[in-house]
Amino acid sequence: AQSVTQLDSHVSVSEGTPVLLRCNYSSSYSPSLFWYVQHPNKGLQLLLKYTSAATLVKGINGFEAEFKKSETSFHLTKPSAHMSDAAEYFCVVSGESGGGADGLTFGKGTHLIIQP
Amino acid sequence: DGGITQSPKYLFRKEGQNVTLSCEQNLNHDAMYWYRQDPGQGLRLIYYSQIVNDFQKGDIAEGYSVSREKKESFPLTVTSAQKNPTAFYLCASLPLGGVTGNEQFFGPGTRLTVL
Repeated sequence: AQSVTQLDSHVSVSEGTPVLLRCNYSSSYSPSLFWYVQHPNKGLQLLLKYTSAATLVKGINGFEAEFKKSETSFHLTKPSAHMSDAAEYFCVVSGESGGGADGLTFGKGTHLIIQP
Repeated sequence: DGGITQSPKYLFRKEGQNVTLSCEQNLNHDAMYWYRQDPGQGLRLIYYSQIVNDFQKGDIAEGYSVSREKKESFPLTVTSAQKNPTAFYLCASLPLGGVTGNEQFFGPGTRLTVL
């Protein structure tokens, strides 16, 4: 079975400063990993995904994440926060099939707050 | 435009009533999923279907039922047996085959409140 731990339930940064959202995972196979973003009362949008290719993954809106197998981590970063980044962020791991075919396992989310 | 639609956006029901949430996709995706979202809990998988007329239970299937009569549609019924149905419900779809790691696409969600 797989699991995901998002290490911070809330993160607050000032606009223009770097963002770091931390995620650790546990899996008995080589999973695919995803970061999704959710704005209030909306569905989820994919930010980026790791599928065993390059360990540094670039996504939309300037976000990127680095897969570190030795640390079982997949932290999300952005060099400079923007007010529009304020949202809930979910770290997600695939099922044993590798993709999301048998469902995804979600972390509990990190609420990102951007201070003006 | 291709996408996933969920209706209604807000739904209210009285205790003891069954209610059905709609999910339709025109992406020609094979697999469809229902998740439940509670504050601070992330998303939890209720049911999923990889092919028409077949579906599997997820982690929290008790009190829910689904059908998959058409590829495009995957309605979720919240039955009176679900003890705490108030939540945000999200539907997703996924194309099967091809490259490993295909991401799921999500609908806008339905917020169900039991009065």
